[in-house]
Amino acid sequence: DVKVTQSSRYLVKRTGEKVFLECVQDMDHENMFWYRQDPGLGLRLIYFSYDVKMKEKGDIPEGYSVSREKKERFSLILESASTNQTSMYLCASTAAGEWLRELFFGEGSRLTVL
Amino acid sequence: AQKVTQAQTEISVVEKEDVTLDCVYETRDTTYYLFWYKQPPSGELVFLIRRNSFDEQNEISGRYSWNFQKSTSSFNFTITASQVVDSAVYFCALSEVSTGGATNKLIFGTGTLLAVQP
Repeated sequence: DVKVTQSSRYLVKRTGEKVFLECVQDMDHENMFWYRQDPGLGLRLIYFSYDVKMKEKGDIPEGYSVSREKKERFSLILESASTNQTSMYLCASTAAGEWLRELFFGEGSRLTVL
Repeated sequence: AQKVTQAQTEISVVEKEDVTLDCVYETRDTTYYLFWYKQPPSGELVFLIRRNSFDEQNEISGRYSWNFQKSTSSFNFTITASQVVDSAVYFCALSEVSTGGATNKLIFGTGTLLAVQP
């Protein structure tokens, strides 16, 4: 089975802190994604990566950056956390190919910024 | 622009009732994919179905069925004889072409919370 593992289920940080959210997948997928989920807004794409060291902005990249140094790992970075970044963060991965396959999701990381 | 609309924010039914979750989409792509995901209280999204734009056949999987109609840009999901275990948030999603030209992104609707009462 595909496994997407997010390092922390729950985090509490203070305004201005640097936050790292880690995601690891074990199925050699080329594509990895970071989404943010908020009530009434659904899932919104922050960044995605289609290869090592490659990244593309999603719909709401402001205030975030990402790192993909190894194929299996995709990190989301909040350089200076703010209260409006309190949210559920979901990582996903999928294999590359001619047709878009289903995304496999992690369990999510719920971040609270005080 | 690509868009997915799930107009039903919350639906509450009693067990054994049938329920339909609506999904309407907008896209400028000629080839695209539509998905449904289930998010139970545990939080992890579970893939239910993928449909490509060339296949308008309806699909049935057990108590689940999907009705894809390109003419109305809709991809509705019906649960027959609902059960308490069906209680979850259900998301409809649409593929999007990234700037690199590959169809490798998904945009999601806002979700429908289904509550099935015993």
